[in-house]
Amino acid sequence: KQEVTQIPAALSVPEGENLVLNCSFTDSAIYNLQWFRQDPGKGLTSLLLIQSSQREQTSGRLNASLDKSSGRSTLYIAASQPGDSATYLCAVSSGSARQLTFGSGTQLTVLP
Amino acid sequence: DAGVIQSPRHEVTEMGQEVTLRCKPISGHDYLFWYRQTMMRGLELLIYFNNNVPIDDSGMPEDRFSAKMPNASFSTLKIQPSEPRDSAVYFCASSFVSDEQYFGPGTRLTVT
Repeated sequence: KQEVTQIPAALSVPEGENLVLNCSFTDSAIYNLQWFRQDPGKGLTSLLLIQSSQREQTSGRLNASLDKSSGRSTLYIAASQPGDSATYLCAVSSGSARQLTFGSGTQLTVLP
Repeated sequence: DAGVIQSPRHEVTEMGQEVTLRCKPISGHDYLFWYRQTMMRGLELLIYFNNNVPIDDSGMPEDRFSAKMPNASFSTLKIQPSEPRDSAVYFCASSFVSDEQYFGPGTRLTVT
């Protein structure tokens, strides 16, 4: 059974810092990995999707990497802003329907 | 496209009552997923459909839960009878050919 772990559970940084969120998974037989953002009381917004054959994806200030063999992914956020404050969820796609298994998330607070 | 649409956004009901949650996936998507999010268990997959056919309902917690997809543009998740422990946020998501999943805004269910 696939298990996804995210470290740290919470992170507080001053505005402008670069930061890294970590995600690990137990079964390397994945199709893809998605990073989501969730604001309090809101739904999930997809940030980046990395296919299993890819090593990284970039979108603006966000860069996600994937090391499938070691079961790890990182989400790098450059020059953090207070608007980046949210919970960041990592999810891996596996199984016959490529269903997602989610980590428990990292709650990020960027202080102005 | 309007994205994945869910209704209602909030539902408050008394224990023992029937609850029906509704979802309209993105047009053209062939996979539909129902997830539940709680503080204790995070995001869990309940059931998913492919081309309107239920494929895996192993995540459905009990027989009180049922889901249908009568056509490509509509799905329901029903709880009968509801219990306080069913209180959670229920998300619907859709994807095309098992690729990136797009989530709806969720339905916050409170059972008193």
